Amino acid sequence: QSALTQPRSVSGSPGQSVTISCTGTSSDVGGYNFVSWYHQHPGKAPKVMIYDVSKRPSGVPDRFSGSKSGNTASLTISGLQAEDEADYYCCSYAGSHVVFGGGTKVTVL
Amino acid sequence: QVQLVQSGAEMKNPGASVKVSCKASGYTFTDYQIYWVRQAPGQGLEYMGWINPNSGGTHYAQNFQGRVTMTRDTSINTAYMELSNLRSDDTAVYYCARNKDGLGVWGQGTTVTVSS
Repeated sequence: QSALTQPRSVSGSPGQSVTISCTGTSSDVGGYNFVSWYHQHPGKAPKVMIYDVSKRPSGVPDRFSGSKSGNTASLTISGLQAEDEADYYCCSYAGSHVVFGGGTKVTVL
Repeated sequence: QVQLVQSGAEMKNPGASVKVSCKASGYTFTDYQIYWVRQAPGQGLEYMGWINPNSGGTHYAQNFQGRVTMTRDTSINTAYMELSNLRSDDTAVYYCARNKDGLGVWGQGTTVTVSS
């Protein structure tokens, strides 16, 4: 059982927006502003899309945005594109270590 | 450019140990923690632990306590993860990642297969 809870799958048509939730506790998501999001294409290493809840690394499109409210963090992909189809994982600092979500498969219809 | 290059695939018998290396380049190795994360076939990401290359200090996930050892050699900018007493359910891709701006840079992954 993963420490952070994510939906198993979300889907949307090209151009639509999708939001992935990531629910933890006050010991991880709710306690620190150190939530990050990764996408992973099959057979590839994960890639960071958002860190520190809402910061975007250089090179990541501004279609990707992150937020947090209480013990739940969210990743929103606006203007969904075919290449966004991948697995997405949230990750939170939990005091000396990190915990991951179980992953969400994003399907572009 | 910043890069983490891992050692090649390994096949091991149950009960054996495996040592995976992660060579860093393009930045000061001792400035950032190296995390180790694994992914079993068809499964999600699992935190294993981290090492501080500067001090050698480590943190290991509870699931791996007693079986995992993380070390580093600062003379060659390389971190190591050794997992002992391997079981079939240790079959996975093992990744190292640099802890800056999230886990901002990842190695390419090392496949470890445990089978008799």
